[in-house]
Amino acid sequence: DTGVSQDPRHKITKRGQNVTFRCDPISEHNRLYWYRQTLGQGPEFLTYFQNEAQLEKSRLLSDRFSAERPKGSFSTLEIQRTEQGDSAMYLCASSLPAYQETQYFGPGTRLLVL
Amino acid sequence: AQTVTQSQPEMSVQEAETVTLSCTYDTSESNYYLFWYKQPPSRQMILVIRQEAYKQQNATENRFSVNFQKAAKSFSLKISDSQLGDTAMYFCALGEYGNKLVFGAGTILRVKS
Repeated sequence: DTGVSQDPRHKITKRGQNVTFRCDPISEHNRLYWYRQTLGQGPEFLTYFQNEAQLEKSRLLSDRFSAERPKGSFSTLEIQRTEQGDSAMYLCASSLPAYQETQYFGPGTRLLVL
Repeated sequence: AQTVTQSQPEMSVQEAETVTLSCTYDTSESNYYLFWYKQPPSRQMILVIRQEAYKQQNATENRFSVNFQKAAKSFSLKISDSQLGDTAMYFCALGEYGNKLVFGAGTILRVKS
């Protein structure tokens, strides 16, 4: 039984570059969530999918951020023209579709923008 | 707007003793869920315990239990017989319509031997 996996685990990039992160949810989970966590803070919701449909986006998700889940399985989160303020841990979680099912988290991708 | 407040940035406890972490929240919903997640150093976040708002009985999971006071919008976590492996950041989270979670800022718990 594999949990939620994320790749890469760490990413260092220069300001202005584009980066893409991948999340593979637990296989039977059709809901997938992205959160951002800055140092010493709790995670903040970014967006979530049910199957391939993106159902909600936070105002934190500026137009430089885009998330996809093309086949309803894995998801990607892309950040274009990265800024130093984008440095954070990006967490992915998945759950079953019922109301308020427990979300299971991946290990996260830590992004550092120089 | 939904908010979650954890007023204790750091706490410490001796091994085998009991510790209580505090959490208050605000929501206008009548149907919601509350969670405590644990995030050990450099490791992923795992669920400790969850509570459905419509249930009056407090949830328990082995050494972990909650004190859910719905009218006061309070949701504290009690850890009994603390172990070194309980050392972690603990997050209180509120889940409601749309299933997104709103997290508090966290409490760092250090268990000392």
